[in-house]
Amino acid sequence: QVQLQESGPGLVKASETLSLTCTVSGGSITGYYWSWIRQPPGKGLEWIGFIYYGGSTNSNPSLKSRVTISVDTSKNQFSLKLSSVTAADTAVYYCARRNGYNRFDYWGQGTLVTVSS
Amino acid sequence: QSALTQPASVSGSPGQSITISCTGTRSDVGGYKWVSWYQQHPGKAPKLIIYEVSNRPSGVSNRFSGSKSGNTASLTISGLQAEDEADYYCSSYTTSITEVFGGGTKLTVL
Repeated sequence: QVQLQESGPGLVKASETLSLTCTVSGGSITGYYWSWIRQPPGKGLEWIGFIYYGGSTNSNPSLKSRVTISVDTSKNQFSLKLSSVTAADTAVYYCARRNGYNRFDYWGQGTLVTVSS
Repeated sequence: QSALTQPASVSGSPGQSITISCTGTRSDVGGYKWVSWYQQHPGKAPKLIIYEVSNRPSGVSNRFSGSKSGNTASLTISGLQAEDEADYYCSSYTTSITEVFGGGTKLTVL
């Protein structure tokens, strides 16, 4: 059974860079697309971006200038960096496996990141 | 990209059927078969319940069904049960090679 686990600081200062890592266990990271999705408190889901195990990426146009997604196949991990954060970036951040197009079949439990001023 | 449009809330009594709509454009919902639905209980991660418009993953109840007409996709839950009370989100692939979610619908089982 594939499992995903997000890790990283739960508190980030405004204007700094948010960094999260997703560790995949129970399966290989190769052969799939891997995504980041976030959910501000009390609000809906927002797609952040994806990375293919081979390294190709794409991200939400509204976040594109601040988002970097990378993959480390040797560690079965992929990572998110979001720069110049503000309070609006406070959210639960989920990593998920995209199995084919638009099919997020495995999700991490989510990690709350709070941006402080 | 704009979020897909869902009703903020729907409700139904146990045993009844409800339908949640998800409206997009020709650039997303209307242009592809790649529309999915997710169920999210409070404090939990979303769970995939429908993919490619109408396919159910293994283990998902056949009380959940999906369809699409033009730019609008729909999720129907039949034989409502108390455990179905949750938030539901649609999602679609887009022409920009991105994904987009709907704003979410809160289902209340009366």
